[in-house]
Amino acid sequence: DTAVSQTPKYLVTQMGNDKSIKCEQNLGHDTMYWYKQDSKKFLKIMFSYNNKELIINETVPNRFSPKSPDKAHLNLHINSLELGDSAVYFCASSQAGDETDTQYFGPGTRLTVL
Amino acid sequence: DAKTTQPNSMESNEEEPVHLPCNHSTISGTDYIHWYRQLPSQGPEYVIHGLTSNVNNRMASLAIAEDRKSSTLILHRATLRDAAVYYCILRDRGNNNDMRFGAGTRLTVKP
Repeated sequence: DTAVSQTPKYLVTQMGNDKSIKCEQNLGHDTMYWYKQDSKKFLKIMFSYNNKELIINETVPNRFSPKSPDKAHLNLHINSLELGDSAVYFCASSQAGDETDTQYFGPGTRLTVL
Repeated sequence: DAKTTQPNSMESNEEEPVHLPCNHSTISGTDYIHWYRQLPSQGPEYVIHGLTSNVNNRMASLAIAEDRKSSTLILHRATLRDAAVYYCILRDRGNNNDMRFGAGTRLTVKP
């Protein structure tokens, strides 16, 4: 069974479009995250949600809006896509209060903006 | 979070032990040392973590210096599947949600 899943795996779109990436976890975790990995391979946290509430919001353009309909889902909506948004986006989840607070990552969504 | 320093890359031969170093001279008393790795075209995965004592699990061992200013991830017998980027990350016990990745060490395993 897939623990953290993301759809789509690949997304190719034109500049200016609006797109969404979905994430679901079946681990029963209460915290979910979005990370961005750029072409230089640096992995940076974008958002963190705990029990559907925003905990971390790094310096991310307002065009990026996470939406958490329930604890098992954290979707990422991106408006007015730009070339610089091209990257691999990873979703992750963890259980707050767990001593290790291990984060489990999804397989990633490769976004290419043309 | 306190900063970590790792070599950009390392090479190993298959079935030999690998020691991946990490320096964290500004570590605080409440920082856990976590290691994650990212296999090609996959998301990062947890490897091991520790606070003060050395730790072993099925994937690896973690050796922590007595002053906690450095640590070493040990893969006892490297396999081709262990080729990945290994990240050493400090996480404040009181701020578990935040995880900051550095550049990591790219491990190449030669057959």
